[in-house]
Amino acid sequence: GENVEQHPSTLSVQEGDSAVIKCTYSDSASNYFPWYKQELGKRPQLIIDIRSNVGEKKDQRIAVTLNKTAKHFSLHITETQPEDSAVYFCAASISSNDYKLSFGAGTTVTVRA
Amino acid sequence: IAGITQAPTSQILAAGRRMTLRCTQDMRHNAMYWYRQDLGLGLRLIHYSNTAGTTGKGEVPDGYSVSRANTDDFPLTLASAVPSQTSVYFCASSKQGGSQPQHFGDGTRLSIL
Repeated sequence: GENVEQHPSTLSVQEGDSAVIKCTYSDSASNYFPWYKQELGKRPQLIIDIRSNVGEKKDQRIAVTLNKTAKHFSLHITETQPEDSAVYFCAASISSNDYKLSFGAGTTVTVRA
Repeated sequence: IAGITQAPTSQILAAGRRMTLRCTQDMRHNAMYWYRQDLGLGLRLIHYSNTAGTTGKGEVPDGYSVSRANTDDFPLTLASAVPSQTSVYFCASSKQGGSQPQHFGDGTRLSIL
């Protein structure tokens, strides 16, 4: 989506390894950064989010880090499992659009058994 | 179970026809959204509503209209469908507009021939 770039577009990892997805944004006033997981044919589901007053947030095997100066944020998945295979989307609130979310294009993560 | 219900699940439509996608939520969320999801482009915001009685344009509003007569319902209408509107459409809601977690429906797969 506009203003949010996501890399890589595809990611293949061995089960048990870590996966990292990075997103950059252009709006320095963005203040909310959620991550969504979408399994094939399913709805996007919120897995973790972070606000601009926090640098890092963890939830079990998932963590998100935010670098406001560089305007990028990353999703870290540790000890990957086959059920982590999905498409992951980052998003950032855009001040010019009433802080509505702008989504990245998505990363397809495949965890190899 | 509280959540968002979208209908129909899928639809094949002839170009030029009018179509309304339905979205209902029972979480008493003030804000609702319509996105389209196309391969490689992520989720793009079509229209949104911060509260009943108000609507706003998103990133790709052309060819679509919405209404928000009450808190629960947020229908999306294609007045005269074109093949480029072939997509998967997701409705979402959040407690308030702006920088808030959004909850998604199961989507409507729409094919315009």
